[in-house]
Amino acid sequence: GAGVSQSPRYKVAKRGQDVALRCDPISGHVSLFWYQQALGQGPEFLTYFQNEAQLDKSGLPSDRFFAERPEGSVSTLKIQRTQQEDSAVYLCASSWGAETQYFGPGTRLLVL
Amino acid sequence: TQLLEQSPQFLSIQEGENLTVYCNSSSVFSSLQWYRQEPGEGPVLLVTVVTGGEVKKLKRLTFQFGDARKDSSLHITAAQPGDTGLYLCAGGSGGSYIPTFGRGTSLIVHP
Repeated sequence: GAGVSQSPRYKVAKRGQDVALRCDPISGHVSLFWYQQALGQGPEFLTYFQNEAQLDKSGLPSDRFFAERPEGSVSTLKIQRTQQEDSAVYLCASSWGAETQYFGPGTRLLVL
Repeated sequence: TQLLEQSPQFLSIQEGENLTVYCNSSSVFSSLQWYRQEPGEGPVLLVTVVTGGEVKKLKRLTFQFGDARKDSSLHITAAQPGDTGLYLCAGGSGGSYIPTFGRGTSLIVHP
């Protein structure tokens, strides 16, 4: 079956632009996670959904970051007024439960 | 905050060599996962260990979970260029659905 897909794979934005990153989880997976991965680092948790409910957004670095999953499947991570420090790989993962996560290939965001 | 320290941070070896990478914490984890991440891709789960002292083997890879469930190791026998990648450990604790990731060990195996 299809794995987790993310789009776009690469995004170059000018500082101050808004961006939207999409995640298509594995069909039927209840849990969906967003992570931010800086170069040479491990993934850092941003936010977690169980179906359409956003149960934890404690990792979102500022109020410029917003995530939604309105129908409990596809999720979008939106970053408003992008800054250079937002440049990173944004990973999405989905799972049946809490421990075995399946990751997408990531979106590489570069803010100039 | 639970922290996972991975060592070494970088490892460059020749094909055929053996290696061990470590994942250590001062916290107890109910489970620990090892992932491999190749350039331009997301992490791929290799194994989950849940029992203190547990040893799991996956072909040339041997994973061990410490007795106290605070540390883990990954041993690769006769490394091959296809083993090249970033090896990440991630720990989960009971009641938390958010795994804590280490910074990873970047492995390069030269032919």
